[in-house]
Amino acid sequence: EIVLTQSPGTLSLSPGETATLSCRASQTITSNYLAWYQQKPGQAPRLLVYAASGRATGIPDRFSGGGSGTDFTLTISRLEPEDFAVYHCQQYGRLPLTFGGGTKVEIK
Amino acid sequence: QVQLRQSGPGLVKPSETLSLTCSVSGYSISSGYYWGWFRQPPGKGLEWIATIYHSGDTYYKPSLQSRVTISVDTSKNQFSLRLTSVTAADTAFYFCARSTGYYNDAFDIWGQGTMVTVSS
Repeated sequence: EIVLTQSPGTLSLSPGETATLSCRASQTITSNYLAWYQQKPGQAPRLLVYAASGRATGIPDRFSGGGSGTDFTLTISRLEPEDFAVYHCQQYGRLPLTFGGGTKVEIK
Repeated sequence: QVQLRQSGPGLVKPSETLSLTCSVSGYSISSGYYWGWFRQPPGKGLEWIATIYHSGDTYYKPSLQSRVTISVDTSKNQFSLRLTSVTAADTAFYFCARSTGYYNDAFDIWGQGTMVTVSS
């Protein structure tokens, strides 16, 4: 199965700053089928980005995904208070579907 | 709008069977999309368990396949998860979700989650 490694584990930033999250795959992800989710405590994940760079419905444009092959990033510009959460990447290029371990973006 | 509502016990004894149901409103399962189950041990990452189509086509995580059954009841517009012979390692938040298109896809609509504890 494809192993996804997210870094850093925790990112401490202030509102207004830019967060850059990394997701590295153990194998090339077919068709860049890589998604990003946001999850807040006690809540289900929320889809932010699909196919590496496509923004899901209703997601603000300060969230942007990029990358290809085995290296992907999620950039959150101008952090808002509601953006402090855990972010997960997921690959769906090959079964079994797999997730990274998550990156926590916390308030500095 | 489409909503997924999970139901099922929050406590299961070791060696018994975990059963959860996801009821879909605002959309007919028979109309399409794939539907899946996931879990997340407290403080840990997400894990895909299984996916199903309204036709009954199923896809399972290999390491869980021997213990997992996903099923769909189109007449009730719901789908279900059964996990047999549970142990403490199966303690987790369980989520149901709808894929954005195919069995290998992202998931855009999620249930509220059910914390299932395996304990005697």
